[in-house]
Amino acid sequence: EAQVTQNPRYLITVTGKKLTVTCSQNMNHEYMSWYRQDPGLGLRQIYYSMNVEVTDKGDVPEGYKVSRKEKRNFPLILESPSPNQTSLYFCASRAGSNTGELFFGEGSRLTVL
Amino acid sequence: GENVEQHPSTLSVQEGDSAVIKCTYSDSASNYFPWYKQELGKGPQLIIDIRSNVGEKKDQRIAVTLNKTAKHFSLHITETQPEDSAVYFCAASITGWAGNQFYFGTGTSLTVIP
Repeated sequence: EAQVTQNPRYLITVTGKKLTVTCSQNMNHEYMSWYRQDPGLGLRQIYYSMNVEVTDKGDVPEGYKVSRKEKRNFPLILESPSPNQTSLYFCASRAGSNTGELFFGEGSRLTVL
Repeated sequence: GENVEQHPSTLSVQEGDSAVIKCTYSDSASNYFPWYKQELGKGPQLIIDIRSNVGEKKDQRIAVTLNKTAKHFSLHITETQPEDSAVYFCAASITGWAGNQFYFGTGTSLTVIP
């Protein structure tokens, strides 16, 4: 089954404790991206990657890092989480870097205390 | 960059009635407009999309219209059913160049009352 898998789905952590949210897709998609969803703000892009070893900032990249060492994986790293990063995070992928349907994971709800 | 506005933020309709959600965009270069449905606890899923060379597209009870001159597009759901209850997001994008972003609206929470 074609899917985008995120882990963990739920996480409560404390300020400053580094964490990684993993994302994996099994569709051989070139393009992957991370969004955060906050009430009243919709979906905002954090980072995206057009292919292996190619990443770029989205609209709200501050406080996040990403890497794309393999085509299928695109982890989101919070080096020193802060309470304003409490949010619902979605990983998404699409076949091409310039077109195509976005496929979303089921989301990772992160709470930073 | 692109700015997408979406209205209303919440919408309640009786089962069987129609629902309309409207979006406006700012960048006249945007040429691809998808609509996503997000059910509770799940990620958004594409339900319909329209490209700028088309004015209307229908898929069973769902239709999308696009007015390029006015820079707005709308989602129409007819004969609503309880399973249509969800959050709906519109988006705008420029296809054809690498790395193009999807700019999402702020979402509409639709409730269909049985």
